[in-house]
Amino acid sequence: KQEVTQIPAALSVPEGENLVLNCSFTDSAIYNLQWFRQDPGKGLTSLLLIQSSQREQTSGRLNASLDKSSGRSTLYIAASQPGDSATYLCAVPASSGSARQLTFGSGTQLTVLP
Amino acid sequence: KAGVTQTPRYLIKTRGQQVTLSCSPISGHRSVSWYQQTPGQGLQFLFEYFSETQRNKGNFPGRFSGRQFSNSRSEMNVSTLELGDSALYLCASSFEKDSEQYFGPGTRLTVT
Repeated sequence: KQEVTQIPAALSVPEGENLVLNCSFTDSAIYNLQWFRQDPGKGLTSLLLIQSSQREQTSGRLNASLDKSSGRSTLYIAASQPGDSATYLCAVPASSGSARQLTFGSGTQLTVLP
Repeated sequence: KAGVTQTPRYLIKTRGQQVTLSCSPISGHRSVSWYQQTPGQGLQFLFEYFSETQRNKGNFPGRFSGRQFSNSRSEMNVSTLELGDSALYLCASSFEKDSEQYFGPGTRLTVT
C-alpha cells in the first residue's frame, strides 16, 4: 500500500527566503507525482506534475524534482512571498488500481512572513 | 477553458438524511474522481469514474455511491448521513491516465 510522508508539517520563513519542501513515498513504481497548493477552505491548485520518466519540472519560482529510486521528491520555492502562504501537498497514484487514484501526503503548512 | 465546478458549495444536513453532490469536469475530460478531506484523515480517495463506469473505489462504506453521465458530469450520493461525514468533498478531472488532475473548489458538507 502506497504511503506518502511530507516533512516538515509546518514551516515559517521570512519573505525572500528560498525553501525546500520534502515528500517521500514507499512504492517507487509510480506513474507520476503531482504537487498541489491548498488555501484554507479551498480546493487544490495543481502546481507541477512530474512524469515517472522525468527528473524535474519547473514553473516560475517553483522547481520540483523526483528521485523514484529513493522514493523522494522535493519542491523548491525561490524568493518566497507572503502570497505563497498555503498548505502544499504532494500526491502519487496508489500502488494498485488506477493512476488517477491519488494517495496524498498530509501536507506542509507554509507561512511566509512579510 | 472553464475549470472543474462543484455544486453546491456549502450544505448543512441532519443525521440520517441523504445528500447528492455534483461535479462538472473540464470540457473534454472523461475521468472524474472524488475525494473526502477531513482534518483527522486528510485527503482520501472515494471513487473514480471514466466513461460512465466506476473504475476504482476507495475504502468507504456502501453509503457512499456515485455515478457519471454521458456528458462526463458526475454525482456522488451519501445516504444515512453520520456526523463523521462532515468534510470537504473534492472532485478532480483528468483527460487520460497519466495526465494532470484538476480539482474543483469542493463542497463543504456539515452534518448536524
